[in-house]
Amino acid sequence: GAGVSQSPSNKVTEKGKDVELRCDPISGHTALYWYRQSLGQGLEFLIYFQGNSAPDKSGLPSDRFSAERTGGSVSTLTIQRTQQEDSAVYLCASSLKGVSPLHFGNGTRLTVT
Amino acid sequence: GEDVEQSLFLSVREGDSSVINCTYTDSSSTYLYWYKQEPGAGLQLLTYIFSNMDMKQDQRLTVLLNKKDKHLSLRIADTQTGDSAIYFCAESGDSGYALNFGKGTSLLVTP
Repeated sequence: GAGVSQSPSNKVTEKGKDVELRCDPISGHTALYWYRQSLGQGLEFLIYFQGNSAPDKSGLPSDRFSAERTGGSVSTLTIQRTQQEDSAVYLCASSLKGVSPLHFGNGTRLTVT
Repeated sequence: GEDVEQSLFLSVREGDSSVINCTYTDSSSTYLYWYKQEPGAGLQLLTYIFSNMDMKQDQRLTVLLNKKDKHLSLRIADTQTGDSAIYFCAESGDSGYALNFGKGTSLLVTP
């Protein structure tokens, strides 16, 4: 595709439920990132995938958060037992390689009620 | 983590120049970036500068880098109402890949 695609664009869930967010990076981009943007906050780094290397998970806020990237392309971010503080916009980005500019998707707006 | 600081708001009149400032703390940053975010959208890469440069110009955009003071600025010439958005400064930080972002400067352009 032409850009980074994320789905769903909006997700409303009840506290305690699990959610899965999907990211389809730009074709050929080997690096993939997840960021979280909370109201009034900057962007918080969550996780980084580069090719077949072990991901950098240092930004994941708790063990309720996990992510995987299958076949070096599509990635899913899973949040288990969602809490209200998980409400935010989750942004995915990809780059040609780890040091190239990041290209962002439009994000998934998650609301936990 | 390393800090990237920006002022939160800037208001300018249409046709004037806008200058958005940013300071950062990580002297090892290789690249510094400016992103633009419009409502409901992701971040759009505007421009970036390599750390051994002190200026980069791209049409209406001019980026100035003072590496000694760890100060980055974005100047938008002839600002238009369509330039109203949030502008994020980012640096490549220790890892070289995970960008550290400021909290964004909300630019309002009035007619």
